[in-house]
Amino acid sequence: SQTIHQWPATLVQPVGSPLSLECTVEGTSNPNLYWYRQAAGRGLQLLFYSVGIGQISSEVPQNLSASRPQDRQFILSSKKLLLSDSGFYLCAWSVTDRPWGYTFGSGTRLTVV
Amino acid sequence: RKEVEQDPGPFNVPEGATVAFNCTYSNSASQSFFWYRQDCRKEPKLLMSVYSSGNEDGRFTAQLNRASQYISLLIRDSKLSDSATYLCVVNIGSGNNRKLIWGLGTSLAVNP
Repeated sequence: SQTIHQWPATLVQPVGSPLSLECTVEGTSNPNLYWYRQAAGRGLQLLFYSVGIGQISSEVPQNLSASRPQDRQFILSSKKLLLSDSGFYLCAWSVTDRPWGYTFGSGTRLTVV
Repeated sequence: RKEVEQDPGPFNVPEGATVAFNCTYSNSASQSFFWYRQDCRKEPKLLMSVYSSGNEDGRFTAQLNRASQYISLLIRDSKLSDSATYLCVVNIGSGNNRKLIWGLGTSLAVNP
């Protein structure tokens, strides 16, 4: 069966510090991978998605970046965090040829102080 | 108009009650529809897909009305454990161009 792992679960970082969040998927090949952010009281916002190794599409211009160095690994990064980067970051995967939705990782709650 | 709109609630209902949520979408080209459940401070989890003919899963029934561009979720015999936020999700496009549009969610609190 497929599983998705995301870490860390909680992170408190000072403004201006770097960020690296990692997500890995097991039990499937060539998944579509996604990074979402859910800010307090707001809906899910798609940040990046990837349909293959090295292929990254950005939905929202900001100081975040994403990389996919391996088929089942997706990394979200920032060189310098802003207060507005605080939120609940969720990685998700999907299979393109199936009509049902996404499976999410357990999320990282990031607080920038 | 938002692409996907939901009544944020909260809906406060007693145990055993029947409660219904509606969700409207603006893109008539939307292809598939889902309800997700999100518990407080947790990730969203797929509750059920919504099919054109309507579908039922135990106490949960989902309906789609393409003409009026809305989907609904009915919960019968509410349990305390049903307390959560219910997210309406609409899929636009297909294959690698697929895009999910998320509603902001409807909050449900089932009270003893």
